[in-house]
Amino acid sequence: AQSVSQHNHHVILSEAASLELGCNYSYGGTVNLFWYVQYPGQHLQLLLKYFSGDPLVKGIKGFEAEFIKSKFSFNLRKPSVQWSDTAEYFCAVRAGGYNKLIFGAGTRLAVHP
Amino acid sequence: SAVISQKPSRDICQRGTSLTIQCQVDSQVTMMFWYRQQPGQSLTLIATANQGSEATYESGFVIDKFPISRPNLTFSTLTVSNLSPEDSSIYLCSVDGGSREKLFFGSGTQLSVL
Repeated sequence: AQSVSQHNHHVILSEAASLELGCNYSYGGTVNLFWYVQYPGQHLQLLLKYFSGDPLVKGIKGFEAEFIKSKFSFNLRKPSVQWSDTAEYFCAVRAGGYNKLIFGAGTRLAVHP
Repeated sequence: SAVISQKPSRDICQRGTSLTIQCQVDSQVTMMFWYRQQPGQSLTLIATANQGSEATYESGFVIDKFPISRPNLTFSTLTVSNLSPEDSSIYLCSVDGGSREKLFFGSGTQLSVL
């Protein structure tokens, strides 16, 4: 069965620090990969996605993620975080041909001014 | 994009009762998904609801506990039956954007069972 692991449950950073959130998945075939974000009191929204092509994908608000097929990873990065990035971040995978998304447990990021 | 209205936003229910959650979308969508997010845990897919057919349930979820209706292409309901404290969770409705490239989510229903 597919699964998604997010290694960090809670991350605390100061503004301007760099961010990297780990995400690994288990599925041997073609996958679509996503990062979703949930700001306090708001809906889940899509940050970025990878379907094919360039494994380095850029999303909204300066976020990017790199798909490394050999490591089954899709880590999220941002070079300099802001207080407004405080949120919960979810990695998700969809196995090719299926419709459902499998989510990781989420990482709560707190950015201190 | 799709705008999803989900209600109620929260409810407190007694053990043994049921709660029906409504999900309204502002456009016609083929597939609607119901997720559960238990405290401190990830989103878990309960079922996929297609209009005109029975919902497809994931392992560990059964129709008797989580009956779903999908009367048309813009609306669905999820009922959580015979409530127990273990059902306390956030329930989320989501829809595919049409190109399978992203899911849109409702604001969720926070259920507390006493």
